[in-house]
Amino acid sequence: KAGVTQTPRYLIKTRGQQVTLSCSPISGHRSVSWYQQTPGQGLQFLFEYFSETQRNKGNFPGRFSGRQFSNSRSEMNVSTLELGDSALYLCASSRDSQETQYFGPGTRLLVL
Amino acid sequence: AQSVTQLDSHVSVSEGTPVLLRCNYSSSYSPSLFWYVQHPNKGLQLLLKYTSAATLVKGINGFEAEFKKSETSFHLTKPSAHMSDAAEYFCVVSVNPYGTASKLTFGTGTRLQVTL
Repeated sequence: KAGVTQTPRYLIKTRGQQVTLSCSPISGHRSVSWYQQTPGQGLQFLFEYFSETQRNKGNFPGRFSGRQFSNSRSEMNVSTLELGDSALYLCASSRDSQETQYFGPGTRLLVL
Repeated sequence: AQSVTQLDSHVSVSEGTPVLLRCNYSSSYSPSLFWYVQHPNKGLQLLLKYTSAATLVKGINGFEAEFKKSETSFHLTKPSAHMSDAAEYFCVVSVNPYGTASKLTFGTGTRLQVTL
């Protein structure tokens, strides 16, 4: 069974731009969660989607948004990028919110 | 509220010697606890998980962890370290009260260095 895939793997943007990251969960998994990893703040929860609905949200500004499609694939969007948004963005999927989460390789975003 | 404290930011061991990575947790509900490992420039890989069954949990690659409720600890151990174990290890707590969506709370990580 294929694992969680994330595209693109690397991305360079400039301040003020917006970016969209994509996550394809493991087949049969309906829950997708997003996390931000930075050296200073560590791993922080962004949000979780299940059956196209956001069920849980972390403490991030409204510039961070996401959505989930009917095939469970999810996208995360960050608008008006700031230097501090440079991070590794990880996506994780699970069959349901009570199940173990499996992580993708991440998208490394660099904001210049 | 839930939280996780990894007591050591960096641990160095010699190859072939035991590994101990310490983790304490705090949770208002019965938690699920996990250890994940992250190799350089890679995503997170699940090592093992505790979900209120046996208190001694065996994971992949020879790792195991013991849940001690009285000490609120979930330390990760391995009898004999291998060079390939060098990585960052995260202790994670998950709480899902009342059937609401759960979210993972990560510790700050412990970097394991294995020397010859």
